[in-house]
Amino acid sequence: QQQVKQSPQSLIVQKGGISIINCAYENTAFDYFPWYQQFPGKGPALLIAIRPDVSEKKEGRFTISFNKSAKQFSLHIMDSQPGDSATYFCAASRTGGGNKLTFGTGTQLKVEL
Amino acid sequence: NAGVMQNPRHLVRRRGQEARLRCSPMKGHSHVYWYRQLPEEGLKFMVYLQKENIIDESGMPKERFSAEFPKEGPSILRIQQVVRGDSAAYFCASSPPGTGGEQYFGPGTRLTVT
Repeated sequence: QQQVKQSPQSLIVQKGGISIINCAYENTAFDYFPWYQQFPGKGPALLIAIRPDVSEKKEGRFTISFNKSAKQFSLHIMDSQPGDSATYFCAASRTGGGNKLTFGTGTQLKVEL
Repeated sequence: NAGVMQNPRHLVRRRGQEARLRCSPMKGHSHVYWYRQLPEEGLKFMVYLQKENIIDESGMPKERFSAEFPKEGPSILRIQQVVRGDSAAYFCASSPPGTGGEQYFGPGTRLTVT
């Protein structure tokens, strides 16, 4: 049973545009929602994370929007740059469950000039 | 402060051999997690360890796979009698004690079984 569904699978955005990646979860016990960025041949790098007590968190060009009632959260990348081209994974975990991360299937983002 | 270290970065084993993957967590981190990433797929949780204790191994295959995190030294993920289906990238992540979930990943070990 896939507990975190991520879409789209791939995304092409023009330089300077907004990239939007969506995730939906099923387990209402999840209380930590991070996003990871992964370049080919590298490990995932923690980008930004949110907890359910806030609806939005912004760090630089990256924003997480969180909708607890809909059990959805999304990553917005403003002013997308070619260097942002990577695979992005959403994830979720439960504090009482040892914090093991359940990952979405990933979104391959390509930012074109 | 060095990040999470994994070695080897690449490992080639013939079917039936053993694979040993090592992970040194970030300084001050006492929690270690192992994840597996199959080609074109997301990461799947395997096991969660603290020093000298396996906390959660619900994602580990029942046979051939084992993990440890001794009092001294790195965490080890051991795969006995490897099969072609074990070919994947294996990532280790660490987190400090008392946190609510932040995990920092190493560069991974890419295992190829021939």
